[in-house]
Order: sequence, then structure tokens, then C-alpha cells
Amino acid sequence: ETVLTQSPGTLSLSPGDAVTLSCRASQAVNTNYLAWYQQKPGQAPRLLIYETSTRATGVPDRFSGSGSGTDFTLTISRPEPEDFAVYYCQQYLGSPPTFGGGTKVEIK
Amino acid sequence: QVQLVQSGPEVRKPGASVKVSCKTSGYTFNNYGITWVRQAPGQGFEWMGWFGTHNGNTHYAQRLQGRVTMTTDTSTSTAYMELASLRSDDTAIYYCARGCRTTWCPLDYWGQGTLVTVAS
Repeated sequence: ETVLTQSPGTLSLSPGDAVTLSCRASQAVNTNYLAWYQQKPGQAPRLLIYETSTRATGVPDRFSGSGSGTDFTLTISRPEPEDFAVYYCQQYLGSPPTFGGGTKVEIK
Repeated sequence: QVQLVQSGPEVRKPGASVKVSCKTSGYTFNNYGITWVRQAPGQGFEWMGWFGTHNGNTHYAQRLQGRVTMTTDTSTSTAYMELASLRSDDTAIYYCARGCRTTWCPLDYWGQGTLVTVAS
């Protein structure tokens, strides 16, 4: 099973401060099979990025993903108030597919 | 628009079973698989399994094998997940999500979640 470790656990920032979230895998992940989700309190997750860097429908271009091998990142270039949430990475090739533990992005 | 609407919260005693439904609309049901994921209180996500709506194939998480059963009713475009022999650590929010015709897909639409509480 591929373990995904996200860091940091919590990020505190002001709206407009660029932020980069990290997702490290216990073994190499094919870039075609890495996704990022956003979850707000009391809501279901929302797909943001798939195939490492492809934005899902309707996702603003301030969200971008990159990475390869065991290291992947999600960058929010100019966070808006609605971007404060928990973000999860997921690899969906392994058996089973696995999720990271999440990074909470909160307002400073 | 694509929607997945799940059944309401459930409370069960240890050893019982629970069946959660996921009614879909806004797309061709048989063109996309359904994945089930759960999230224990304050925790991350656990992938439970996938159902191939086009061929009836299933792929279950090994740790849930023998306890979980996924089915569909194509006449109503509804997916079901039944979990048996419930334990307290099965308490979680259960989500259905749209995938694709293989297990290996991102999940682009999710149900609202169903809270299942297991307590004596």
C-alpha cells in the first residue's frame, strides 16, 4: 500500500499569500494517477487537480499542481477567503487507492 | 447537472449491518463506475471499493473483504453499499463518488455523505 504523507498539518496565512502544500509518497507514483481534493467543513470533497497537474472543470487557475516520483505539490497562488479548507492528495493507481492525511489551510 | 444523493444517517448496534444508497442523476449511469470512501470522525479518507456499473465487477479493499457488498439498481441509477458485522470503528461518514470504468480514476462528483454511527 502506498502511504501518502502531507505536510505541514496546518498552514496559517493571510488571503493573497501564495502557499505550497506537499504530498510525499512511500513509493513512486505515476503522475497520471495523482489527484488533489478540497474539503470544507460539513461538505463532501471537491476534485481540484487530477493527473498531477490538470485542473478539474471549474477550478480557478490560481490552483496548480506539479511533481513526479514521490514528491508532489499543490500551489495556491493568491488564496481567496473561500480557499481556506483542508486539502487531500490521493493516488489512484495502487491497490488500494490511498489518500494523504490532509493539510488544513487556515486564515492567520 | 450531475448529482449523487445519499440516504440519511443511520445508527446501528455492534454486529448489525447497514445499507447506504446513492441515487445518481444527470449522466449515463453505466458509463461511470461508483467508488465508496469513508471518513472516520476527524480523520482522513479510506477507500472501500469500486463497482463497475457497466459490467458488475467489484474491487473491494482487502481489509473489508467479506464484510462489504456493493450493488446497483440500473433501473433507478442507484448504487448501494452494505457493510456487515459492524464494529465501533466503522463509525464514519460514508461517501459514494463517481469514478470511471476502471478502479483507476479520480473522483469527480461526490454524494453528500451518510453518517453511520455504531454504538451499543
